[in-house]
Amino acid sequence: KQEVTQIPAALSVPEGENLVLNCSFTDSAIYNLQWFRQDPGKGLTSLLLIQSSQREQTSGRLNASLDKSSGRSTLYIAASQPGDSATYLCAVSGAAGNKLTFGGGTRVLVKP
Amino acid sequence: DTAVSQTPKYLVTQMGNDKSIKCEQNLGHDTMYWYKQDSKKFLKIMFSYNNKELIINETVPNRFSPKSPDKAHLNLHINSLELGDSAVYFCASSQDSLTGELFFGEGSRLTVL
Repeated sequence: KQEVTQIPAALSVPEGENLVLNCSFTDSAIYNLQWFRQDPGKGLTSLLLIQSSQREQTSGRLNASLDKSSGRSTLYIAASQPGDSATYLCAVSGAAGNKLTFGGGTRVLVKP
Repeated sequence: DTAVSQTPKYLVTQMGNDKSIKCEQNLGHDTMYWYKQDSKKFLKIMFSYNNKELIINETVPNRFSPKSPDKAHLNLHINSLELGDSAVYFCASSQDSLTGELFFGEGSRLTVL
């Protein structure tokens, strides 16, 4: 059974610092890994999708890496801004049917 | 223009009642999902439909019955509501049922009193 863990559960940084969020999963047989952002009381916004054959994906200040063999992904957010404050969730798809298994999330606070 | 929309956004009801949550996507996707986010914020899949056909049923109680009248709609009906059903229910869609990126609605917060 796939298990996804995100450490740390919460993170507080001053504005301008780079953010590093970690995600680990127990079963390396995944189809893809997706990073989401969730604002309080809101839905999930897809940030990056990495297919199992890829090593990383980039979008603006965001970069996500994937190491399938070790069961890890890292989300880097460069030059953090207060608007980056949110909960970041990673999820892996490991079976037909695109069934996502989610981590518990990392709650990020960027202080001005 | 909202891609995945759910109604209602908030729902407060008594134990034992029956309620429905509706979901619509205008992305032209083939696959739709229901996820549940509990009080500890963990998200778990409940159901998935591909072109109106059920493909994932994640051992959810029979009181929960999804219905997909067409591939753009996936509704969730819950019978005999219990306190433990209180949660935020998210609808999502993806282009296909294999590897597509998921797009989520804003969630429907259900509170059972």
